[in-house]
Amino acid sequence: DAKTTQPNSMESNEEEPVHLPCNHSTISGTDYIHWYRQLPSQGPEYVIHGLTSNVNNRMASLAIAEDRKSSTLILHRATLRDAAVYYCILRDGGQNFVFGPGTRLSVLP
Amino acid sequence: DTEVTQTPKHLVMGMTNKKSLKCEQHMGHRAMYWYKQKAKKPPELMFVYSYEKLSINESVPSRFSPECPNSSLLNLHLHALQPEDSALYLCASSQDRTGTSEFFGPGTRLTVT
Repeated sequence: DAKTTQPNSMESNEEEPVHLPCNHSTISGTDYIHWYRQLPSQGPEYVIHGLTSNVNNRMASLAIAEDRKSSTLILHRATLRDAAVYYCILRDGGQNFVFGPGTRLSVLP
Repeated sequence: DTEVTQTPKHLVMGMTNKKSLKCEQHMGHRAMYWYKQKAKKPPELMFVYSYEKLSINESVPSRFSPECPNSSLLNLHLHALQPEDSALYLCASSQDRTGTSEFFGPGTRLTVT
């Protein structure tokens, strides 16, 4: 499984944008980039995923570098409810999800 | 219905007890998963069922026994557990195994005394 590296923790102020980075220099051409988050006392929640092009949905945007060796999850306006652990995961079709330690995001009021 | 439900929410059991965790989804998904998550650690995959057949067992001890009675249900039978098995047990499902996203349930918090 290709590995990802993320900062252990990040802080943001409420209502400001947050950029969560993920490095995946050994990504293969068929690996999708998935982002999940886990709020306290809950199961992981799907956020977004992409292959090559940038993606937007109602929760977030995913910016993928042209060489695909890194990506950034963008929360456009952080709220207190966005405080969670954010996991960046690479997955090819049929492979398992392998969760790394993730980034613990704190949102300050 | 776009959710995965798990029962019970909390379970306390002794080391000699037998208990079961239950997971249910009605999204028509054909792949279902059990994960184990210790405090402040990421989830770790235990078992994968694909089309009601066990396709992956990640070297899980036999005191954990999964069962998939039909395409909507997934059980995890527990017997003779150890205190170190105390954890959050998460169930997930996906349309199939081919790169689609997984939907997770809220988990069962298990304490073994």
